[in-house]
Amino acid sequence: QVQLQESGPGLVKPSETLSLTCTVSGGSVSSYYWSWIRQPPGKGLEWIGYIYNTGTTNYNPSLKSRVTISLDTSKNQFSLKLSSVTAADTAVYYCARVGGSSTTGFDYWGQGTLVTVSS
Amino acid sequence: EIVLTQSPDFQSVTPKEKVTITCRASQSVGSNLHWYQQKPDQSPKLLIKYASQSFSGVPSRFSGSGSGTDFALTINSLEAEDAATYYCHQSSSLPLTFGGGTKVEIK
Repeated sequence: QVQLQESGPGLVKPSETLSLTCTVSGGSVSSYYWSWIRQPPGKGLEWIGYIYNTGTTNYNPSLKSRVTISLDTSKNQFSLKLSSVTAADTAVYYCARVGGSSTTGFDYWGQGTLVTVSS
Repeated sequence: EIVLTQSPDFQSVTPKEKVTITCRASQSVGSNLHWYQQKPDQSPKLLIKYASQSFSGVPSRFSGSGSGTDFALTINSLEAEDAATYYCHQSSSLPLTFGGGTKVEIK
């Protein structure tokens, strides 16, 4: 059974960089696409971007200038960095696996981690 | 960007009733449309992939239909545990997008 677990600071100051890591167990990050998705409190889901095992990335244009997703196969992890954060970036951040090909849905999700942007 | 419009936004339903949630795409997504269930304080769970394929372990009362721009998620004989918000999601083109969600409440 594939399991994903997000980790990182729950509080980030405005203008700083949000950094989160997703640790994968029960499967290898060397296969599949791996994604970050966020959900502001009480709102809907927003795709942030994904990375493939080749290191190829795709980002949501709305965040592209501030986002970096990277892969660490030695630790079976992938990470998210979001720079110059504001209060609008306050959200629950989920990591998820894209099952099968790039067009498959997100079949496994982490439990999510709330990141609050505040001074 | 493909916009997904779900309706209704909210539905209050009695147990054993049939529920239908629709999702309309602003342009054709083929069959690259997936459905998720999210219960309060939980992460979303995949129910239906590629419009009509049930994901492993999903109860048979959940089914999906449609192609192109119009899709539906049907819950036959609603159970109390189905109280949740349901989202559609398209993977036809980048950026990947989600519908706004439909909250299903049990009367």
